[in-house]
Parts: sequence; structure tokens; C-alpha cells
Amino acid sequence: AQSVSQHNHHVILSEAASLELGCNYSYGGTVNLFWYVQYPGQHLQLLLKYFSGDPLVKGIKGFEAEFIKSKFSFNLRKPSVQWSDTAEYFCAVSPDQTGANNLFFGTGTRLTVIP
Amino acid sequence: DAGVIQSPRHEVTEMGQEVTLRCKPISGHDYLFWYRQTMMRGLELLIYFNNNVPIDDSGMPEDRFSAKMPNASFSTLKIQPSEPRDSAVYFCASSLSPGRAKSSYNEQFFGPGTRLTVL
Repeated sequence: AQSVSQHNHHVILSEAASLELGCNYSYGGTVNLFWYVQYPGQHLQLLLKYFSGDPLVKGIKGFEAEFIKSKFSFNLRKPSVQWSDTAEYFCAVSPDQTGANNLFFGTGTRLTVIP
Repeated sequence: DAGVIQSPRHEVTEMGQEVTLRCKPISGHDYLFWYRQTMMRGLELLIYFNNNVPIDDSGMPEDRFSAKMPNASFSTLKIQPSEPRDSAVYFCASSLSPGRAKSSYNEQFFGPGTRLTVL
């Protein structure tokens, strides 16, 4: 069965620090990859997505993620975090199958940015 | 577009009562998903529909849970009878089908969620 692992449960950083959140998945076929963000009290919003092409994907608010196929990883990065980045971040995977449109989510990483 | 609409936003009920959660997907979207979010299990897919037809309900925890989609603009998730362990935030999401998008997969748009507390 497909699974998505986010090894960091809670990350605490000071403003301007660099961020990298890990995401690994287990699925042998072609996948589509996503990072969603959930700000406190709000619903999930798409941060960025990868379907094909350049493995380095740029998203909103200065976030980027790199797909490394050999490592089954899709880590999220940001060079300098802000207090407003405090949120929960979810990695998600969707098998690239015709007719399949469902997502498998990781357990999430809570990011706290200290001013 | 108003986005995915869910109601109620908060629900507090007593154990044994029936609970009905409602969702209105984005107009034109043909996939609808129900998720449950808890501290212990994170975000779990409960069931999803394509063109109003349930495709995969393997995530539905028990027979106490049921979901329907009588038309393209409305879905319900019902819990009967409810139990304290059902307390969670329930999200609804919708998306276009892959064939209708340029990419093989299209983004899921999430509603604001319903926070359910069962006492």
C-alpha cells in the first residue's frame, strides 16, 4: 500500500532561519506530489505540486520542493522563514493512474516560527 | 466562486445522537472527497465520489458512518450513532477529473471543515 512519511513531527525555528521538511513516499510507479499548508484554524491550501519536468518546483510564498526519484523524496524548503509561516505542512502523493484522483497524506509537520 | 462550502462549522452533540455533515463542492467539479483529521491519525481519506458515485469507501471506519451524494452539488456524511472517538475535524474537498485538466491530476480544493465534538 502507498504510504507517505513525514519524519519531523514538530519543527521550531527562529525567523530568517532556513527550513527543510522531509517527505518520503513508498510507491513504485509514477506519482504526482504535493505540499499542502494549513494555517491555524484554516483549511488546507495547496502550496506547490509536481507532475513532471523540472524536479525543482517553486510554489507560493517563497517555498520550493525538490523531487528526487531515486530517494522517493519530495522535501520542502524555504531559505528564510517568517513568523507568518507558522502552520502545519502536509506532504501528499497521488498515483498517476487514469481515473485515480485520490491523495495519500503524510501525518503532517507542525512548524512554529519564533519572532 | 465561493469555494467548497461545509456546514455546520462546529457541532457539539452527545454520544448516541445522529450527526449529519454537509458539503457543497465547487460548481463543475466531479470529484468529492471526505477526510477526517485527528491528532492521533492525521488526515485520513474516508470516502470519495466521482460523478456522484462512491468510488472508494475503504476509509470509512465503521458501519456507523455513511455518505451520500444525491446530486452534483451536495453531499452528506452521517454518523449514527455518534461516539466520543468520532470527535475530529471533517473536511470535504472537490476537484476536476484528470481528463478535464491539462495535467494528469488536478488540485483538490478543501472546505473550511466541520469541528465535531461528541460528549
